[in-house]
Amino acid sequence: DARVTQTPRHKVTEMGQEVTMRCQPILGHNTVFWYRQTMMQGLELLAYFRNRAPLDDSGMPKDRFSAEMPDATLATLKIQPSEPRDSAVYFCASGPYSGGYNEQFFGPGTRLTVL
Amino acid sequence: AQSVTQLGSHVSVSEGALVLLRCNYSSSVPPYLFWYVQYPNQGLQLLLKYTTGATLVKGINGFEAEFKKSETSFHLTKPSAHMSDAAEYFCVEYNFNKFYFGSGTKLNVKP
Repeated sequence: DARVTQTPRHKVTEMGQEVTMRCQPILGHNTVFWYRQTMMQGLELLAYFRNRAPLDDSGMPKDRFSAEMPDATLATLKIQPSEPRDSAVYFCASGPYSGGYNEQFFGPGTRLTVL
Repeated sequence: AQSVTQLGSHVSVSEGALVLLRCNYSSSVPPYLFWYVQYPNQGLQLLLKYTTGATLVKGINGFEAEFKKSETSFHLTKPSAHMSDAAEYFCVEYNFNKFYFGSGTKLNVKP
């Protein structure tokens, strides 16, 4: 049963520290998405990649956030420096691009708390 | 700017009653449309999708949605609600490599 995996599942850190979240997409999926979910803002698309190239990162704060795909099996989302307002659940999703659209299969999320 | 509107951030129905969750999109060209469900402490899961062809789309767990171009709507329905349907539901539009998410509707099912 193929699934998107995310590590770590929970992360507590102090303000100013660097945070790196990792995602392993489902094998064969060529599109990877990063989302952030909070009670106040709801679900936000931060960025997504197709064939490892960024296609839309308009939702990502560029000053402290960065997203990369070093290879087809790993996507990373980095926050440096972290701030309390970054506390949220971060979801990764992957999907095949077929027929002109993407389905998305979501991972379990990384719950980030910045103190 | 394109947007997806979900009317009602909270909807409450009795078990066995009809579920109707509303979604309106704003694109002037036929988009791809999706409904996702999120159970507590989980990621989103695809319920159903409209791409082309038949405007009435059937999904998992007895849900269906109808694409109505004239009304720019894609409402989600289920004839009879189950307690297990309690979750948050998101309507999503995809067009020109952009995704537009509705703000979500939390469905509460009363016994």
